[in-house]
Amino acid sequence: EVQLVESGGGLVQPGRALRLSCKTSGFSFGAYTLTWVRQAPGKGLECVAFIRREAYGGTTEYAASVKGRFTISRDDSKSIAYLQMNSLKIEDTAVYYCTRVTRGTYGADFFDYWGQGTLVSVSS
Amino acid sequence: DVQMTQSPSSLSASVGDRVSITCRASQSISVYLNWYQQRPGKAPKLLIYAASSLQSGVPSRFSGSGSGTDFTLTITSLQPEDFATYYCQQTYSSPLFTFGPGTKVDIK
Repeated sequence: EVQLVESGGGLVQPGRALRLSCKTSGFSFGAYTLTWVRQAPGKGLECVAFIRREAYGGTTEYAASVKGRFTISRDDSKSIAYLQMNSLKIEDTAVYYCTRVTRGTYGADFFDYWGQGTLVSVSS
Repeated sequence: DVQMTQSPSSLSASVGDRVSITCRASQSISVYLNWYQQRPGKAPKLLIYAASSLQSGVPSRFSGSGSGTDFTLTITSLQPEDFATYYCQQTYSSPLFTFGPGTKVDIK
């Protein structure tokens, strides 16, 4: 059974840092691209960070809203993805989901498995 | 960047109704369009990928259609567990694939 379990969320003051973890099981972790998607309270979904599998260079991409402050990484030996969040702002308050990206027919990507999410609250 | 819009933003329907939700992209995205369902307090769940392919385990009352810029999610015979928010997502412009703003389906 494929599972993704996020942890590391909590209440933090503006300007501080937090590291989220996404522990996975049930699939060949190194063969997949992973993303972090966030959802602010009562709002929609936003992809904030993306890390390709090592076979594609393990390269990363970030939303403009977090670029320079957030860093996504992966440890294929442990099947864990991370999101290091620095210089947190009030507007980073959201539930953060870790997702697996699968490439299907015609090269179409889709997010087929999601974790349960971890809440990050940024407040003074 | 590809922008996504959805209509309506919300709708009220009854159990057994046929419901359609529209998603429009700001430029052609071929068939690189996914649909997700999110129930309150839960993570999103993939329903449809590549515009019309049903994800494994998803009931056949869900279907998707469209290509280019205009797409539709249809639910035939709405069930109680289908009352949720639905999001479209483009995966044409990689890699930070954008979602639509969502359509909330609630009980009439």
